[in-house]
Amino acid sequence: DADVTQTPRNRITKTGKRIMLECSQTKGHDRMYWYRQDPGLGLRLIYYSFDVKDINKGEISDGYSVSRQAQAKFSLSLESAIPNQTALYFCATYSQGTQYFGPGTRLLVL
Amino acid sequence: SQQGEEDPQALSIQEGENATMNCSYKTSINNLQWYRQNSGRGLVHLILIRSNEREKHSGRLRVTLDTSKKSSSLLITASRAADTASYFCATDASNTGKLIFGQGTTLQVKP
Repeated sequence: DADVTQTPRNRITKTGKRIMLECSQTKGHDRMYWYRQDPGLGLRLIYYSFDVKDINKGEISDGYSVSRQAQAKFSLSLESAIPNQTALYFCATYSQGTQYFGPGTRLLVL
Repeated sequence: SQQGEEDPQALSIQEGENATMNCSYKTSINNLQWYRQNSGRGLVHLILIRSNEREKHSGRLRVTLDTSKKSSSLLITASRAADTASYFCATDASNTGKLIFGQGTTLQVKP
């Protein structure tokens, strides 16, 4: 859905590096979410934000941090990347019971 | 830990056949949703069923919910090759959009 965009789409980094994944939305939704997807494990919630001043940890927040710069922008950072953070990362917005997902960022940590 | 478990993990059928996927969950929910994911892409919302509903239809999709058994099923009728994708159930316990996803069912529809 082009209303939710993620950059970069693919990223290769090395262990110990700090990286940031960015998410932007034009839907005007207050609520935004970051998930990671691993093969065979479905999606797991990392962080979520109900508005610019309301940020909450999800199921697997260790090793991650987020920043909600504006209603439209929600960034995910890996402070010191490690190989088991290799995964597909999705950003999503939420409105009236439905989540709207971005196209995903494929991250490889060497 | 995952809230939902889906069954089967993989399903292969011929075009025109029906496909049924099941989802079980562990705790009380406000609603349950089904999403579709084409290979390597973002998830797309298919249908939402609330905890006080038992069945819902949308086009060729039929979803049932049994809260006493903590289970749901997704039926796709008259399947098409274009239905080939992974299907995920997700539960929302508090109507906040904080979803817990199952592991997904990979559906292959052969032409």
